[in-house]
Amino acid sequence: EAGVAQSPRYKIIEKRQSVAFWCNPISGHATLYWYQQILGQGPKLLIQFQNNGVVDDSQLPKDRFSAERLKGVDSTLKIQPAKLEDSAVYLCASSPPSSYNSPLHFGNGTRLTVT
Amino acid sequence: AQSVSQHNHHVILSEAASLELGCNYSYGGTVNLFWYVQYPGQHLQLLLKYFSGDPLVKGIKGFEAEFIKSKFSFNLRKPSVQWSDTAEYFCAVKGAGANNLFFGTGTRLTVIP
Repeated sequence: EAGVAQSPRYKIIEKRQSVAFWCNPISGHATLYWYQQILGQGPKLLIQFQNNGVVDDSQLPKDRFSAERLKGVDSTLKIQPAKLEDSAVYLCASSPPSSYNSPLHFGNGTRLTVT
Repeated sequence: AQSVSQHNHHVILSEAASLELGCNYSYGGTVNLFWYVQYPGQHLQLLLKYFSGDPLVKGIKGFEAEFIKSKFSFNLRKPSVQWSDTAEYFCAVKGAGANNLFFGTGTRLTVIP
């Protein structure tokens, strides 16, 4: 099966600019996650979708971060305006409908550098 | 609050040496436990998982992990490492029925041929 697709692979922007990341999960996976992985740390959940609804966005900095999954398939994560501390790898993951006991499948991530 | 501790940040071993990576978690309830691996330039991949039953679980590529409930630990082991095991290893925990998967900070393993 095709894996989780993410684009772009790399992005360099200046602080206060905006940026958007795209994710296409594995076909049939109802649950989609966005994680932020800062260098030297483990991935941290930003937001979780079940189909097109938000399940958990408690760790999402909503003053600058937003995410949507309008048709319950692919998703975009946006940062506006970006700060230096947003430099990280942004990982998208998906899992099948029986999410509680299903492992996550990760994409390759988007490495964001904010200068 | 849930947390995961991986005390080894970087481990360097020679080929054929035995491996044990520590993972301790903090969570007040039933947990699901995972080890993920990230090979250089690749995405995170599931190595093995524990939900219930036999606390000794076997994963891919000869890896295994043992869940010791009394110690809140889920250490990863491999009897004989290969150069191709060079990667970063992440322990993760999720409360049974919960949404969020909490990751440790990762352990970088370098295997010298």
